[in-house]
Amino acid sequence: GEDVEQSLFLSVREGDSSVINCTYTDSSSTYLYWYKQEPGAGLQLLTYIFSNMDMKQDQRLTVLLNKKDKHLSLRIADTQTGDSAIYFCAGNTGGFKTIFGAGTRLFVKA
Amino acid sequence: EAQVTQNPRYLITVTGKKLTVTCSQNMNHEYMSWYRQDPGLGLRQIYYSMNVEVTDKGDVPEGYKVSRKEKRNFPLILESPSPNQTSLYFCASNRQGVSYEQYFGPGTRLTVT
Repeated sequence: GEDVEQSLFLSVREGDSSVINCTYTDSSSTYLYWYKQEPGAGLQLLTYIFSNMDMKQDQRLTVLLNKKDKHLSLRIADTQTGDSAIYFCAGNTGGFKTIFGAGTRLFVKA
Repeated sequence: EAQVTQNPRYLITVTGKKLTVTCSQNMNHEYMSWYRQDPGLGLRQIYYSMNVEVTDKGDVPEGYKVSRKEKRNFPLILESPSPNQTSLYFCASNRQGVSYEQYFGPGTRLTVT
C-alpha cells in the first residue's frame, strides 16, 4: 500500500523560502496534496497537484512533482511567522483512501 | 457556510465507558471519513463511508464503530474505550469523485484514563 514520508521539523528565518519535502511509494497516486494545520485547528487544504503535472504555482506556494523519484515538494516563498504550522503531504489514488505523511512542523523565526 | 462540525471538541473519559463523537456536514457530500492523529504518525483513516448505509474499514478500525443512517451525519462510536484510543480525531467529507476537495472538521481531542 501507499506510504508517505516527510521530515518532521524545518526551521527558517522570516522572509526566506521554505521547502518541505515528501516521498511516496505508490506510483498510482492520482492526487497529491498539501494540507496545513495550525495549532488547535483542523486541516486546511493548501493545494493539490494531479499526477500528470510537474509543477503547480499558487501565489507564494509552488508544488513540484518528480514522478520518477516519487518526490513531492512544497516551496513557500517569503515565509512569514503566520506560516508556522504543521504541513501534511498526502496521496490519493482517486478512491476512498487518502494516505497522510506524519507531518512537517515548520518553525519561522522572526 | 459550508462546514463539517464535530462534537464534543474535548472529552475526558474513563476506560470502558461507551462514548459517541458526532460529525455532521452541510454540503450534501457522499463521502465521509474518520481519522485519528497521533504524534509522529500523521493521520490514519479509521472508517469511511461512500453513502448512506455504506461503510468500510480504514487502516485502524479496531475498537471503533460507525453508522451512516443519514447523509449528513457520520458518528464515531467507541463501545469500550481504552487508553490507547487517546488521540485527536478528525471527521472529513467530500463529494463523490472530488477526493481532492476533502473538508475537515475542527477535531475532537479525546483522553481515556
